[in-house]
Amino acid sequence: QVQLVESGGGVVESGMSLRLSCAASGFKLRHYGMHWVRQAPGKGLEWVAVSWYDGSKTYYAGSVKGRFTISRDNSKNVLYLQMNSLTADDTSTYFCAKDSHGDGSGRMDSWGQGTLVTVSS
Amino acid sequence: SYVLTQPPSVSVAPGKTARITCGGFNIGGYNVHWYQQKPGQAPVLVVYDDTDRPSGIPERFSGSKSGNAATLIISRVDAGDEADYHCQVWTRNGDHPVVFGGGTRLTVL
Repeated sequence: QVQLVESGGGVVESGMSLRLSCAASGFKLRHYGMHWVRQAPGKGLEWVAVSWYDGSKTYYAGSVKGRFTISRDNSKNVLYLQMNSLTADDTSTYFCAKDSHGDGSGRMDSWGQGTLVTVSS
Repeated sequence: SYVLTQPPSVSVAPGKTARITCGGFNIGGYNVHWYQQKPGQAPVLVVYDDTDRPSGIPERFSGSKSGNAATLIISRVDAGDEADYHCQVWTRNGDHPVVFGGGTRLTVL
């Protein structure tokens, strides 16, 4: 069955960087678009970024554009999120989610359990 | 960018029907997806493409859309349905293609 496992979260100081990973199993990553979605404590879901099935196209929310980079290694079935210049506003649980379509335009039909990122000021 | 509006909370008695709305300009032009999220857990897809249900989701969960709003309908509500519900669309806007509503907390009285 489809499984997504995030890792790499933790406590970092403002201005620092962090890289999250999402290990995918039970399906071939190279066929599907993949998203990062975050959720600040007590808040709703906020979409962060999407990567096309082959990594050729990526899109970002305005709040992270220029600071975050989504990438993937389809040979290893792993999705990444490089986060730079972190601020307290980036404190959230970060989820990776599989899209039903290769270009990320479908529904998010599987989600990881999330990894918590805390940015201290 | 595109905005989806949900009521912050909805309350319903056990055995009754809950309706959670998701409003957006010209929402009829988009496929609406709904996710259930229980405390401390990841979201789970419960309705996609306005009205379809993933395998394993009870028939009590359904969706509809009319005018500028989509609605998630949960019939015969029980305590296990208490959760946050989020709507989402793909807008084809290259700058910010994915939008979530603010989420609705469903309370079973």
